[in-house]
Amino acid sequence: LAKTTQPISMDSYEGQEVNITCSHNNIATNDYITWYQQFPSQGPRFIIQGYKTKVTNEVASLFIPADRKSSTLSLPRVSLSDTAVYYCLVGTNYGGSQGNLIFGKGTKLSVKP
Amino acid sequence: GAGVSQSPSNKVTEKGKDVELRCDPISGHTALYWYRQSLGQGLEFLIYFQGNSAPDKSGLPSDRFSAERTGGSVSTLTIQRTQQEDSAVYLCASSLVASGTDTQYFGPGTRLTVL
Repeated sequence: LAKTTQPISMDSYEGQEVNITCSHNNIATNDYITWYQQFPSQGPRFIIQGYKTKVTNEVASLFIPADRKSSTLSLPRVSLSDTAVYYCLVGTNYGGSQGNLIFGKGTKLSVKP
Repeated sequence: GAGVSQSPSNKVTEKGKDVELRCDPISGHTALYWYRQSLGQGLEFLIYFQGNSAPDKSGLPSDRFSAERTGGSVSTLTIQRTQQEDSAVYLCASSLVASGTDTQYFGPGTRLTVL
C-alpha cells in the first residue's frame, strides 16, 4: 500500500514558483504518480502524471527522483487562481484493493497578492 | 462533450430517512468511482465499478451504504437510515478503465445534509 505524505498547507505570493513535495516510501514498481487540483465546491481535476524523471505540461512540472520515493509538483509563477488543494496519488490498477488509489488530505496552497 | 453529472446538487434530509444519489459518467467510460468528502477533509474512497460489477466494496463505511450500476452507465449510491455523520459532499468520478494511470473525471458532487 503506497501511502502518501504531503504538507498540510503552504503559502505563496503571486508570481512565485511553488514546489509541493509528496513522500511515497512504499511505492511499487508499477505505480504511477498522479496529482490532482481541487477548488472549493468543485471536484478534483487532473493536473499531471508521471512514472520517473521529469514530466512537463502546460500547467505544471513533475519531478521524480531515481528512487521514486518522493515526487515534487512545481507550479511556475502562481497566481491567485492557483489557490486550491493539491492531492498526490500513487497507484496502479485497482485490482480489487481499495487502497491502491488514495486521496489523502492534500496540500492547501494559498496564494496571496 | 458532456462531463460527469450528479444529481441532486444538494440534498437535505432528516435523520433516519433514505437517500439516493445519482451519477451519470462520461459516455464510454467503463470505470466509475464514488468518494465522500467531509468538510475540510480529503476524499474518502467508497466504491468503484468496472462495468456493472463492483470488485471492491470495502470502502463503504457501513451496511447502510450500497451502490449499483446498471447498463454500464448510471450509478446510484443509496444511504439507508441516514445519520448526521453521513453529512458530506459525495463525489463521483469516471475513467476509461479502472486504472491508476487513467485520468479520473469528477462530477460537481452532491452536498448531503442530514438534520
